[in-house]
Amino acid sequence: GAGVSQSPSNKVTEKGKDVELRCDPISGHTALYWYRQSLGQGLEFLIYFQGNSAPDKSGLPSDRFSAERTGGSVSTLTIQRTQQEDSAVYLCASSLLAGDQYFGPGTRLTVL
Amino acid sequence: GNSVTQMEGPVTLSEEAFLTINCTYTATGYPSLFWYVQYPGEGLQLLLKATKADDKGSNKGFEATYRKETTSFHLEKGSVQVSDSAVYFCALSGHSTGGGNKLTFGTGTQLKVEL
Repeated sequence: GAGVSQSPSNKVTEKGKDVELRCDPISGHTALYWYRQSLGQGLEFLIYFQGNSAPDKSGLPSDRFSAERTGGSVSTLTIQRTQQEDSAVYLCASSLLAGDQYFGPGTRLTVL
Repeated sequence: GNSVTQMEGPVTLSEEAFLTINCTYTATGYPSLFWYVQYPGEGLQLLLKATKADDKGSNKGFEATYRKETTSFHLEKGSVQVSDSAVYFCALSGHSTGGGNKLTFGTGTQLKVEL
């Protein structure tokens, strides 16, 4: 079956612009996670969604970062007023409840 | 808080050599432990896992045993192949509000296997 998909695969933006990254989880997976992979910080948890529960936002690095998940499926991660330190690969993963997480290919964000 | 420490890379081995990548962790409670692999140009894939003390996870010839007494989850393979060249990440699960399992990762260890 189809895995987790993310778009775009690459995004280059200018400092100060807003960006939106999209994640399509595996069909039927109730849980969705965002992580960030950067040279300086390694792989970090950002945010977690589970069904209609309030999301766990404890990993978001600043209030410029936000995410939503519409209809319990697709999720969008938004970064406002991007900074150069936001350059990273943003990874999405999904799972059944608290099961094994399956990762998408990531979106490589470059902020110039 | 939770943390994972894994050995620095890169690790370069000859084909058929024995592989060990060390991983130790600090966590509250009883986390599950994982090894993920990232092949060149590909996404993260779950390689193996163990959910409780003394469990051994295994897959594709790789093994790791959950050692609570030493808080370790070292990855081993008896005979590596060129196709095993990748970056390996040790991780543990911690609880998220709402019942999820957010992962805490180590920094990754790059493995290069040469003929």
